[in-house]
Formats: sequence, C-alpha cells, structure tokens
Amino acid sequence: QSVLTQPPSASGTPGQRVTISCSGSSSNIGRDTVNWYQQLPGTAPKLLIHSNNQRPSGVPDRFSGSKSGTSASLAISGLQSEDEADYYCAAWDDSLNGFWVFGGGTKLTVL
Amino acid sequence: QVQLHQSGPGLVKPSQTLSLTCAISGDSVSSNSAAWNWIRQSPSRGLEWLGRTYYRSKWYRHYAVSVKSRITINPDTSKNQFSLQLNSVSPEDTAVYYCARTSGYIDQWGQGTQVTVSS
Repeated sequence: QSVLTQPPSASGTPGQRVTISCSGSSSNIGRDTVNWYQQLPGTAPKLLIHSNNQRPSGVPDRFSGSKSGTSASLAISGLQSEDEADYYCAAWDDSLNGFWVFGGGTKLTVL
Repeated sequence: QVQLHQSGPGLVKPSQTLSLTCAISGDSVSSNSAAWNWIRQSPSRGLEWLGRTYYRSKWYRHYAVSVKSRITINPDTSKNQFSLQLNSVSPEDTAVYYCARTSGYIDQWGQGTQVTVSS
C-alpha cells in the first residue's frame, strides 16, 4: 500500500487534456513539494515535474503540475500516443527520520 | 550530465546478501548538495525508498524502517560510486532495484537491476 494515493488508471483520446491526482497527508505533500515521474515499460522513471510545477529542460510544456494542501495534480494537454505510460508522484515525508514516499502509479492509456 | 550505472548479480539465494553498485559520472559522491539513494520497485510494494548516503562535512546514512536492520549503503570515494548491501534476503525482496540522485528531488535514476531471490 503506497503512502500517496493515485488512481490506478486514466485514459484519453489524442488531443484531449487529462489530469492525474495524488493525495497525501500533512507529513508529506502538506509540508513539502511534489514531483512527478513518467515510466515507460522496461525503463527507469524519468523526472517530469519537480517542485510542484517546474519542468526540467526538455519536458514539453504540455505537462504541468499543481499542488493544493495535501493533494497534487499532473495535467497533460494535447494528449499524444507517446504519452502512454505509468505516472508516479513522489514527495519527502517528514515523519520518523524522513523518507521519500511514492504514489502507487497511474497507467495512462491513449485511446 | 549526471549518469548512474548499476552493476551486480540478478539472482540471489534466500538468506544470502544482495549487493549492488552504482557508478557515478558527471557528479561526485562527495558532493555537498546531492544525496545518493537506493529505491526498489515491485508489483506488490510499488516504488519503495530504501535509504541514502550523503556528505555534509561528514558522511550520513539514513535507512527505511522496513529494512533498517538488514541494509548498508556505503560511498566509495576512490571509485566515485556507492553500494547497497541487503542481508538475509527472502523472496519478498525480489524487485527492480534503482540507484538515484537527489538534489532537492530525485532527478536522476540508474538503469535498474532486476534482482530475483530464489534458490
């Protein structure tokens, strides 16, 4: 059972806008920033969004992130077939001595 | 550009020790602004952070509660790499293991190593 809660699946048609939610608590998302990762089959996760809404160089501006309270969202606009992947949220949790926590992942299908 | 390259066996027998190494290029294991982590991923447990080491005038190591009694993460400054040792493994430790760098957030991952615990 993952500490952060994501819907297991999401879908959309090419060109559509989809959002993926991530719910946490006061010890993680409520206290620190949220990061998002894209994982294609058989590969390592790739940083998509950091610090709630910052895109690393090379990430298309179709990807955006937001955070409010103890929840965060990833939005993908202008959906493309190559966006079909697993998406994970992550945050630092301040409980105990501190540790990274992750969502269970959302499998995005482009119909 | 930072790159992390993992090496180590993909098959470990139950009760034995899992050992992996992560070689760093483009950064230093002794960096004062980065931390060096091990994370694993399995269908049953999802992504699970195992621990980290970092240097801030001295070396620090922090481990997840779930593996704290069995894990050691060590830096190797002579080879600019860090390692993972997980003792007394069981089939529940079967997973893809990743090394990763954090510099405020997890920004770089190794390629991943599938480790299977089986006799």
